[in-house]
Amino acid sequence: AQTVTQSQPEMSVQEAETVTLSCTYDTSENNYYLFWYKQPPSRQMILVIRQEAYKQQNATENRFSVNFQKAAKSFSLKISDSQLGDTAMYFCAFKGIQGAQKLVFGQGTRLTINP
Amino acid sequence: KAGVTQTPRYLIKTRGQQVTLSCSPISGHRSVSWYQQTPGQGLQFLFEYFSETQRNKGNFPGRFSGRQFSNSRSEMNVSTLELGDSALYLCASSQSLSTEAFFGQGTRLTVV
Repeated sequence: AQTVTQSQPEMSVQEAETVTLSCTYDTSENNYYLFWYKQPPSRQMILVIRQEAYKQQNATENRFSVNFQKAAKSFSLKISDSQLGDTAMYFCAFKGIQGAQKLVFGQGTRLTINP
Repeated sequence: KAGVTQTPRYLIKTRGQQVTLSCSPISGHRSVSWYQQTPGQGLQFLFEYFSETQRNKGNFPGRFSGRQFSNSRSEMNVSTLELGDSALYLCASSQSLSTEAFFGQGTRLTVV
């Protein structure tokens, strides 16, 4: 069974700083998808970024980028020029291609951006 | 394009009652999945439907059930409610089983 681990329960940085959230996962599959979701106080789960395992190039979406290390089973999220609106819970998630294609989530990292 | 719509947003039920939650996916999306979110257990997968068929089911008791209609709208039902069923229930839709999921705002269920 796949597992996703986020080792940082909470993080706090100053506005405009860069912050990196860690995520490791365990799977025996070779092809899969990885995602970062953001959940602000409104509770709406918002997709931040997606990475296909077969792509070596790291995904980037504006200020958000990932460092995908397939061999190490590591998938970290970097937020550049952090903004107050980035304050939220961040969840790393795994989705396989074979078998049960459910999303498996980590426990989340609570990120606070301070003014 | 409208997002995923979940109704109702909030519910308060008594132990032993049953409840039905509704989810309308993004237009054109045929896959709907449900998740339970609690402070203690985090986000846990309940089940997934694609073209009216249940494709996957999580490790939840039989009191939790769901279905999907021909227009891709989905409902989940919880019978004989327990205090531990209090949670945020999230619905997500995707175009297919392998593409990214987009979530609704959730239904906050409180069992008293």
